[in-house]
Amino acid sequence: ETGVTQSPTHLIKTRGQQVTLRCSSQSGHNTVSWYQQALGQGPQFIFQYYREEENGRGNFPPRFSGLQFPNYSSELNVNALELDDSALYLCASGPRGEGENTEAFFGQGTRLTVV
Amino acid sequence: GNSVTQMEGPVTLSEEAFLTINCTYTATGYPSLFWYVQYPGEGLQLLLKATKADDKGSNKGFEATYRKETTSFHLEKGSVQVSDSAVYFCALRYTGRRALTFGSGTRLQVQP
Repeated sequence: ETGVTQSPTHLIKTRGQQVTLRCSSQSGHNTVSWYQQALGQGPQFIFQYYREEENGRGNFPPRFSGLQFPNYSSELNVNALELDDSALYLCASGPRGEGENTEAFFGQGTRLTVV
Repeated sequence: GNSVTQMEGPVTLSEEAFLTINCTYTATGYPSLFWYVQYPGEGLQLLLKATKADDKGSNKGFEATYRKETTSFHLEKGSVQVSDSAVYFCALRYTGRRALTFGSGTRLQVQP
């Protein structure tokens, strides 16, 4: 059984560019969530995907978008990058029927730096 | 809205000292409560959880009790080790939502 894997591990982009981050969920998990963790802060919920549809969204602008594929892997896309988008982006997957009591398994994250 | 407040760090302790990291929450209803740990350069790992009032979560010598009357979920360990050095996050999952709400984290540094 493989865990949650994210790619790339590090990325440097220029302000105004677009970026795509990728996540492969843990085997048997069909729910994927994305979080943004700014330096020295706790993770902030961006959105969640379940069965290829967005299933909950945090307080992030529309330039943050995502996809989930039939194999339950996911992408996070950010358009028109801003300096404040520099952060660690974490992906978490959960099992079928994820609810309040089930565990979310996190990947190691992608460190995005916007210059 | 829901929120989680943790004590500010860093917390610096000597090996074998007693650890307490305070966590309080604000939420409507009855959320589940979690402690996650983040080691340097890694993602988050679930340390323990409690799903209802008076439940005690425990793992690897760490414990936390869900106190509804004080809206708290303080993390404790009787004897810390150097390998416990990490950032600890308290979190809740609000009833009816799937997102985790995290505190800002508390860095623990254990010295030999």
